[in-house]
Amino acid sequence: AQSVTQLGSHVSVSEGALVLLRCNYSSSVPPYLFWYVQYPNQGLQLLLKYTSAATLVKGINGFEAEFKKSETSFHLTKPSAHMSDAAEYFCAVSGSNTGNQFYFGTGTSLTVIP
Amino acid sequence: KAGVTQTPRYLIKTRGQQVTLSCSPISGHRSVSWYQQTPGQGLQFLFEYFSETQRNKGNFPGRFSGRQFSNSRSEMNVSTLELGDSALYLCASSIGTEHFMIYNEQFFGPGTRLTVL
Repeated sequence: AQSVTQLGSHVSVSEGALVLLRCNYSSSVPPYLFWYVQYPNQGLQLLLKYTSAATLVKGINGFEAEFKKSETSFHLTKPSAHMSDAAEYFCAVSGSNTGNQFYFGTGTSLTVIP
Repeated sequence: KAGVTQTPRYLIKTRGQQVTLSCSPISGHRSVSWYQQTPGQGLQFLFEYFSETQRNKGNFPGRFSGRQFSNSRSEMNVSTLELGDSALYLCASSIGTEHFMIYNEQFFGPGTRLTVL
């Protein structure tokens, strides 16, 4: 079975500060891991994905995440927050035996303070 | 390439009614998945269709059903609506493969916001 835990339903950072959104996963098979962003009244946009290649994954808009198997984590980071980063962020896991069925975390709402 | 489109974008229904939502995938994509998003339960997988066949299903009651047409467009239907069915329904499309266990990148539509009164 697969599941995702996102620590912190709300995170606030100052503009220009480091963004760190936490995600831990549970998977009985080698996982595929994803971060999505959702802006108000919109669907989900893929930020980045891990599919068993490099453990440090770079995504769009300056975001990156590192797959750490020993810690079952896939935290999302960005060195310098921008006002436009304010949104809801979802971590998701899919297993090699579940095809396109994603298991999502409950989401983290990021607020950027000017 | 045009993205995933969902119609209608907003819908208001009353309890007991039924509703049909539509999803047009990206051209060339054969897999369509549906998700329900609510504040309390988050994003939950409903089902996936590939080549007109449902090949994976989440834990939802039988009131939730779907189908896929030969052009890969998909519809989902909810019968006997309940207040708890109020949600954002998201559709995602991917290229899809016959081998169920192979993941393909999914692209999400903007969703249909269903309100049940």
